[in-house]
Amino acid sequence: DAKTTQPPSMDCAEGRAANLPCNHSTISGNEYVYWYRQIHSQGPQYIIHGLKNNETNEMASLIITEDRKSSTLILPHATLRDTAVYYCIVRPPNTGNQFYFGTGTSLTVIP
Amino acid sequence: GAVVSQHPSRVICKSGTSVKIECRSLDFQATTMFWYRQFPKQSLMLMATSNEGSKATYEQGVEKDKFLINHASLTLSTLTVTSAHPEDSSFYICSASGGATNEQFFGPGTRLTVL
Repeated sequence: DAKTTQPPSMDCAEGRAANLPCNHSTISGNEYVYWYRQIHSQGPQYIIHGLKNNETNEMASLIITEDRKSSTLILPHATLRDTAVYYCIVRPPNTGNQFYFGTGTSLTVIP
Repeated sequence: GAVVSQHPSRVICKSGTSVKIECRSLDFQATTMFWYRQFPKQSLMLMATSNEGSKATYEQGVEKDKFLINHASLTLSTLTVTSAHPEDSSFYICSASGGATNEQFFGPGTRLTVL
């Protein structure tokens, strides 16, 4: 079962930062936080993942609270192509461990 | 990231027939592959996990005799929907993991419509 809760939907103005929250209060010490997004009728796309420290890549930044019970995905300058459903998932680090998707957040970037 | 392909991208079949969906990892060896199903406006639901050369592990409520999974090589897994019915119409997505990272790379999905 999914161990995360996310708001069902959010809007963001084009060019502004999109901040997507995720609660994972029951996360275990060795579980990573992963973010994927799914554009309509496509497979999920990997965005970023982290364990404790904040992470940044070319797509986004991931801010994890010190107690690791929540995190925020930041898209620094949202574009219309960022409109998608964003999924926050927690799972252990070993290859082969399953992903259980929650309901995700449907982000709409508004022109 | 790594590339995972699925074939076909969409298929329409008659009720009672069987449909095979292929999932390939194109540029890495996938020791584990996963199959998901997604109904309209819903999230992805994990159906089964397959490791190369061994039997798949199915999630609770997924009929293993209806959804046959074969993971014969490190680059190919197949899902066969046997005796398909209209309620099996869905978006089927595979993912693969392996190699140095623990990420899962997802295929583009297969849209199955059973008439």
